[in-house]
Amino acid sequence: ETGVTQTPRHLVMGMTNKKSLKCEQHLGHNAMYWYKQSAKKPLELMFVYNFKEQTENNSVPSRFSPECPNSSHLFLHLHTLQPEDSALYLCASSPIQGVNEKLFFGSGTQLSVL
Amino acid sequence: AQTVTQSQPEMSVQEAETVTLSCTYDTSENNYYLFWYKQPPSRQMILVIRQEAYKQQNATENRFSVNFQKAAKSFSLKISDSQLGDTAMYFCAFRSGGSNYKLTFGKGTLLTVNP
Repeated sequence: ETGVTQTPRHLVMGMTNKKSLKCEQHLGHNAMYWYKQSAKKPLELMFVYNFKEQTENNSVPSRFSPECPNSSHLFLHLHTLQPEDSALYLCASSPIQGVNEKLFFGSGTQLSVL
Repeated sequence: AQTVTQSQPEMSVQEAETVTLSCTYDTSENNYYLFWYKQPPSRQMILVIRQEAYKQQNATENRFSVNFQKAAKSFSLKISDSQLGDTAMYFCAFRSGGSNYKLTFGKGTLLTVNP
């Protein structure tokens, strides 16, 4: 257990649904990240928040909407997704967004879009 | 842009033996950081080992060690005395030493340790 909790663990949704992924960390970190892990592809950084401010949006489609109400919580709101969005979505945190910090990952949400 | 290549999609090793996972990267920078992450079936990515490019000495963490060849841009992971719990996906990752903090990951190598 790394102190980063993601819910739900699995999610199946239709293309017209709206759902949210939740990430919570109990490590006192100030930076939080969303990564997308697709089969046979490298992990892709989606968003970064540092001290609740979004500092990175890696050209992610607007159907993915992140929210960081405080340094301990991170959400990913999903709407009108496409089947190709099916993937494992990983949340991570680190003390600060810096050069050499260690990332602590959650166990991910396995998303299937039908 | 940096790229990270893991040329071995899958590998297997017998318990107690030694295995080496390969990783190469491409960068024009001189100062950067390299990582190996492990993702077991539980899906939680865990940092295994980290290497600073300015350090000549290879990093070691218990049974895990790296062979860092800066000129060749190679960063292999050696696992000694393999254990069943080492079965996992292993990802090599690169981070610039500059203001770009992004981690660039390879596609991963699935390692299976057989009893």
